[in-house]
This record gives sequence, C-alpha cells and structure tokens, in this order.
Amino acid sequence: GAGVSQSPSNKVTEKGKDVELRCDPISGHTALYWYRQSLGQGLEFLIYFQGNSAPDKSGLPSDRFSAERTGGSVSTLTIQRTQQEDSAVYLCASSRLATGPGETQYFGPGTRLLVL
Amino acid sequence: GDSVTQMEGPVTLSEEAFLTINCTYTATGYPSLFWYVQYPGEGLQLLLKATKADDKGSNKGFEATYRKETTSFHLEKGSVQVSDSAVYFCALSGSGGYQKVTFGTGTKLQVIP
Repeated sequence: GAGVSQSPSNKVTEKGKDVELRCDPISGHTALYWYRQSLGQGLEFLIYFQGNSAPDKSGLPSDRFSAERTGGSVSTLTIQRTQQEDSAVYLCASSRLATGPGETQYFGPGTRLLVL
Repeated sequence: GDSVTQMEGPVTLSEEAFLTINCTYTATGYPSLFWYVQYPGEGLQLLLKATKADDKGSNKGFEATYRKETTSFHLEKGSVQVSDSAVYFCALSGSGGYQKVTFGTGTKLQVIP
C-alpha cells in the first residue's frame, strides 16, 4: 500500500479484556516499530522488529504486552488483561532499513485505545 | 540514555510571524536529528531531518541546523501560516546502532489569522 496502515482506528474495551492491534507496514520495509503516545507522556518506544525478530523489546511496559511479526510484514501488538493506564494512541512505523544515518520512519495513523 | 528536550507549548502566533521552537538533545555517538509534525486528526509525518553536524534540513519553509557544539536542532520558519497549526516533535535516532527514535514531548503551535 501507499503507507503504513493500522487497525482498528479506535478500540474501546473493558478493563481486564485482551486486545490486539494490527499494523501493516509499507511493502518492502524490513524494520517495524511500535510506539505509544499518551496524554502528557509524549511518545515512548515499545518494540522494534528487524524482519520477524525483535532485537529490542526494552520499551514494553510489562509482561502483559507482547508483539509478533509474521512474514516480515504484518505485526500484531497484544495487550492482555488491559488496565486503564493502557489507554493511549498506539503508533506503528516502518522503515526501509533498520540501520543507516537518517533512515526515515513512516508512521501509521495510530490506534486509539480506551480502557474503561 | 538518549533524550530530547523541547520547549513546552502551546505556542500561539499571529499569521506571518517568525517561529522558533527550541530543541536540545543528549546522545552518545552521532545521532541523526528529525522534526516530525502531527496535524490535527492525522498521523506523524517527517518534516525535515539532518544526519551530521552543520547539516541544515529544510522543507515547506521550515529549517533546522544540526549544531553539535550546542547539541541543538532548533526549528525555524520566517512566516507562519494558519495551516502550520500542529504539534511539532523533535527527535533523534541512530545512537543504538539501529534507528530507534527518541522523541521530545511535542510543542503545540497555534497560528491565528
């Protein structure tokens, strides 16, 4: 596709439920990133994929968060037993390569998650 | 670790005013520096970037110069328009051997006619 797409665009869930967020990167991009944008917290890095492997998971806030990427393309971020503090906009980005100076990351529109 | 500090907003300017949004950074090595913009209701998009010291990134009338001696990457525009109203994020990448991006907290700009 022309850009990074994410689904759903909005998700409302009840505390304690599991949610899955999907990201479709730009075709051919080998690197994929998940970020979280919370009100008053700015943007925080969650996890990075190179191909299907995740060399850096350091930003995942707890073991309730996990992510996978299959076929070097689509990625799913799963949040188990959601809590109200998980409410945020979850952003996905992809880049052609993972290394190299100034490699541009292209962002999707985000999934707005609200946990009631 | 890496960090980016940018001026807090909101910044309110009249149309055709001069804009400066300050950004300073802390990083090991030689990071690449970026300004991203988020227009209302839209996703983040790259505005401009610079990959080495003294490089100047420019786009849509915006400019920023990579100043290694002051570890700064201030965003400037000579004459803002109402359509420039958005949130601007300063960011860096490249310190870790791959392109994890560290963002500033964002500065909201409102331009009034």
